[in-house]
Amino acid sequence: EAQVTQNPRYLITVTGKKLTVTCSQNMNHEYMSWYRQDPGLGLRQIYYSMNVEVTDKGDVPEGYKVSRKEKRNFPLILESPSPNQTSLYFCASSYRYEQYFGPGTRLTVT
Amino acid sequence: GDSVTQMEGPVTLSEEAFLTINCTYTATGYPSLFWYVQYPGEGLQLLLKATKADDKGSNKGFEATYRKETTSFHLEKGSVQVSDSAVYFCALSDRSGGSNYKLTFGKGTLLTVNP
Repeated sequence: EAQVTQNPRYLITVTGKKLTVTCSQNMNHEYMSWYRQDPGLGLRQIYYSMNVEVTDKGDVPEGYKVSRKEKRNFPLILESPSPNQTSLYFCASSYRYEQYFGPGTRLTVT
Repeated sequence: GDSVTQMEGPVTLSEEAFLTINCTYTATGYPSLFWYVQYPGEGLQLLLKATKADDKGSNKGFEATYRKETTSFHLEKGSVQVSDSAVYFCALSDRSGGSNYKLTFGKGTLLTVNP
């Protein structure tokens, strides 16, 4: 089954404690992306990757890092999380315009 | 820059009612347009798409037509069901001058259908 998986699905953490949200896709897509969803703001792109070792900033990259060492994986790293990063995060992958989304990771930073 | 404006909800309808959710966009190039649906507790699923002017996307009884002259992509369904209750997002992807397949989303419209 074609899918995008994310882990963990739910995470509560404290300010400053480094964390990683994993994302994996099994569709051999070159393009992957991270979004955050906030009430009243819709979804906004954090980072994207056109292929292995090729990443670039989206609209709201501050406080986040990504890496793309393998085609299937695109982890999102928060080196020093802060409360304003409390949000619902989605990973997506696509061949072209039609993007497939993961189930989401709900992160709370206290 | 690109932007998407969709009608704010929430929208509450009775089963079998007609649904319209308005969506208009601003883009510098020739975008592809999408409607995504998010059911409670789940990720986003592509509902339908249109890649050029006058294209009609359709799926599960939902339809939307790409209107370049009015920069609109309104979502319609003739008879909604309780199972259609969800948040609906209008989105565009415009790669003019770039390589990012970024989706620009509207803020979402919560639809509740009552029996």
